[in-house]
Amino acid sequence: AQSVTQLGSHVSVSEGALVLLRCNYSSSVPPYLFWYVQYPNQGLQLLLKYTTGATLVKGINGFEAEFKKSETSFHLTKPSAHMSDAAEYFCAVLNDYKLSFGAGTTVTVRA
Amino acid sequence: GAGVSQSPSNKVTEKGKDVELRCDPISGHTALYWYRQSLGQGLEFLIYFQGNSAPDKSGLPSDRFSAERTGGSVSTLTIQRTQQEDSAVYLCASRMTGSYNEQFFGPGTRLTVL
Repeated sequence: AQSVTQLGSHVSVSEGALVLLRCNYSSSVPPYLFWYVQYPNQGLQLLLKYTTGATLVKGINGFEAEFKKSETSFHLTKPSAHMSDAAEYFCAVLNDYKLSFGAGTTVTVRA
Repeated sequence: GAGVSQSPSNKVTEKGKDVELRCDPISGHTALYWYRQSLGQGLEFLIYFQGNSAPDKSGLPSDRFSAERTGGSVSTLTIQRTQQEDSAVYLCASRMTGSYNEQFFGPGTRLTVL
């Protein structure tokens, strides 16, 4: 089965700084990859997904991710952090029809 | 439009009791999933429905867990004889036909077993 690994369980950034969340995948076939965000006491919301085609994927709230096959990575970035970005972020890979999630990265934003 | 809804939002129960968790998916979504989110195990898949059938129940942790879906819509996850290790947030998701389509998640039910 395909899997993802998120590097870093917690990331702290200053407001206005770059946000970089790392995700590496393990797959023997071209993967379908997703980033979800979870705000406190809420469900998961899709930020963006990679299926096929363009390797640079733009999502909501100014986030984007780049699929790099050579590095088996799908890192999530945002150029300028906002206080509202404080949340937990999950990378996921589609295994047939179900999602397998990474352990999650909690982002805190310092004023 | 309405998203995925789950009820109750919180459930506190005593060890050994049975509980039922409900999920109302987005209208027209053929696929429905249950996931569990716990501190020790992270986010894990429990069961997948396509229509009223459950072709994949591989994530259900024990035979105390069961789920059904009726009318291609509402689903109920039942946990019998609850144990403390069942304490978690149970998330439901639904999607349109097409495996790589977005799964839309509900807000979850937080289950606490005392």
